[in-house]
Amino acid sequence: EDQVTQSPEALRLQEGESSSLNCSYTVSGLRGLFWYRQDPGKGPEFLFTLYSAGEEKEKERLKATLTKKESFLHITAPKPEDSATYLCAVQADGYALNFGKGTSLLVTP
Amino acid sequence: GAGVSQSPSNKVTEKGKDVELRCDPISGHTALYWYRQSLGQGLEFLIYFQGNSAPDKSGLPSDRFSAERTGGSVSTLTIQRTQQEDSAVYLCASSSDNEQYFGPGTRLTVT
Repeated sequence: EDQVTQSPEALRLQEGESSSLNCSYTVSGLRGLFWYRQDPGKGPEFLFTLYSAGEEKEKERLKATLTKKESFLHITAPKPEDSATYLCAVQADGYALNFGKGTSLLVTP
Repeated sequence: GAGVSQSPSNKVTEKGKDVELRCDPISGHTALYWYRQSLGQGLEFLIYFQGNSAPDKSGLPSDRFSAERTGGSVSTLTIQRTQQEDSAVYLCASSSDNEQYFGPGTRLTVT
């Protein structure tokens, strides 16, 4: 059975304090790994798709990386507006996404 | 361009009543998905439509749940005889390739 585990569940950072969020997965036949950002009361906002081990993608202060067992979302010099829940999801045999429970990030000034 | 829209944004219903939730996907997107997000749980896949193919209903939790997609565009998720455990945010997503774009969701509360 496909499993996606995100850690930590919650993370509090000072503005400018870089860190990483982890997404560990067990899936047979990974088609893609997805990162989303979700603000309270809103739907998930697409960030990145990674398809193969070694792949990296960047967007502003965020960089996503992928290995055969896990993905990291690196946040460099975060700002308060980066506060949100970050969701990881894997896509295997079908087209549906299997989501982790997310990491709730709070960045304080 | 316009994103995925969902209506209503909030729905409060009494236990046992039927509800219909609507999703308007991004224009031109052939794939449409329904997910459910319960408090403390991750997003849970419900159903998937692709073009004119038969939908993938493998995620529907019971036969009280059904969905249709008319004309390859708008979709309606119907929950019959609602139960309190159906309370959740119901999210719709659409895609033209692999990337799924989500709507704002419908928050369903069953009292």
